Amino acid sequence: KNEVEQSPQNLTAQEGEFITINCSYSVGISALHWLQQHPGGGIVSLFMLSSGKKKHGRLIATINIQEKHSSLHITASHPRDSAVYICAVRALGGADGLTFGKGTHLIIQP
Amino acid sequence: NAGVTQTPKFQVLKTGQSMTLQCAQDMNHNSMYWYRQDPGMGLRLIYYSASEGTTDKGEVPNGYNVSRLNKREFSLRLESAAPSQTSVYFCASSVDYRTEYNEQFFGPGTRLTVL
Repeated sequence: KNEVEQSPQNLTAQEGEFITINCSYSVGISALHWLQQHPGGGIVSLFMLSSGKKKHGRLIATINIQEKHSSLHITASHPRDSAVYICAVRALGGADGLTFGKGTHLIIQP
Repeated sequence: NAGVTQTPKFQVLKTGQSMTLQCAQDMNHNSMYWYRQDPGMGLRLIYYSASEGTTDKGEVPNGYNVSRLNKREFSLRLESAAPSQTSVYFCASSVDYRTEYNEQFFGPGTRLTVL
């Protein structure tokens, strides 16, 4: 069974700090997604990657396929980055769609 | 473009009542999904529709039915609601489920409470 583990579950940091959220999974995958869920509840896709590294503004996502691990980094964090960050993967030949992690609840204090 | 829309945003039901959650997308996507989100758990797939005219069970289909009314609309029905179905329900769509590298777009969610 494909499992997706995120760490930490909760993270509180000060504005300006460099943030890292980790995601590990147990099976071979074709794609990994990072999603953001704001306190209002809406879910937005941040990244979709299958190798290497992607960058959007202050957000960077990396993936190591051999180690079955991905990280999401936030540089110069800001209170508006406070949200739940969710990792999801699609297994190779994945007839069952995405498997989601439980999310990392991030709070950035001013 | 509105993206993915869901109605209602909130609903309270009594045990045994029925209701239908509506979802529509205006992105001309082939594939649509229904998920539920419970505290302490990741999103779980209830049903999906890979393309118009097809529906398939996901991880947690019991107690639910779905209808892919047309390419735009995908509804989720609770025939006899139970307290265990208290959850936040998200609809999502993507270009094509069969493509492994495809981004999903989510609706705003429906918060359902069953008393």
